[in-house]
Amino acid sequence: QKEVEQNSGPLSVPEGAIASLNCTYSDRVSQSFFWYRQYSGKSPELIMSIYSNGDKEDGRFTAQLNKASQYVSLLIRDSQPSDSATYLCAVIRYGGSQGNLIFGKGTKLSVKP
Amino acid sequence: ETGVTQTPRHLVMGMTNKKSLKCEQHLGHNAMYWYKQSAKKPLELMFVYSLEERVENNSVPSRFSPECPNSSHLFLHLHTLQPEDSALYLCASSQDSGTENIQYFGAGTRLSVL
Repeated sequence: QKEVEQNSGPLSVPEGAIASLNCTYSDRVSQSFFWYRQYSGKSPELIMSIYSNGDKEDGRFTAQLNKASQYVSLLIRDSQPSDSATYLCAVIRYGGSQGNLIFGKGTKLSVKP
Repeated sequence: ETGVTQTPRHLVMGMTNKKSLKCEQHLGHNAMYWYKQSAKKPLELMFVYSLEERVENNSVPSRFSPECPNSSHLFLHLHTLQPEDSALYLCASSQDSGTENIQYFGAGTRLSVL
């Protein structure tokens, strides 16, 4: 089983709709979860981090975490064409004293005007 | 700008060349990372340095050799690479390599091996 799994998409939504991006992870002891956005040809940029069960909102973005189901999601409200990008889910995996980010393959989102 | 600068942005090299990638962070962070991003694959962690000490080496071939002379600079020395090593190489830094570990990425070096 892959450590971090995402649907590669593409996920296509109309402008103004809610985009829902999903991610599952295999390491039950993971405590820290991140969503990065990567535009084509650019580097990943952090948009949300979440550490506890429940929802965390930041502007149009809401991250949801369910540790029992090993599931983390990202909702983008009022989607804009500028949100079109690949969204990477990342989870910290611990080995000794070191926590390292493990990334999923990413979900490509396309927001149509 | 994220405060992490990578040079060069693009590099084309032959299999017998030796080249180096450079990363510099201006964020006062104490951990730095090299990642490889190939098409249709997840970001792969290659090396981690924490307080200038290598703490992770993810079974990377010896033709990739990292160097961290101080907490602000990280290099990736390349020699006798293979065409399958063509990829985007990303450097990142973070303040702490533990629980929160929020990493900031540079723009990357697009490497093509001929």
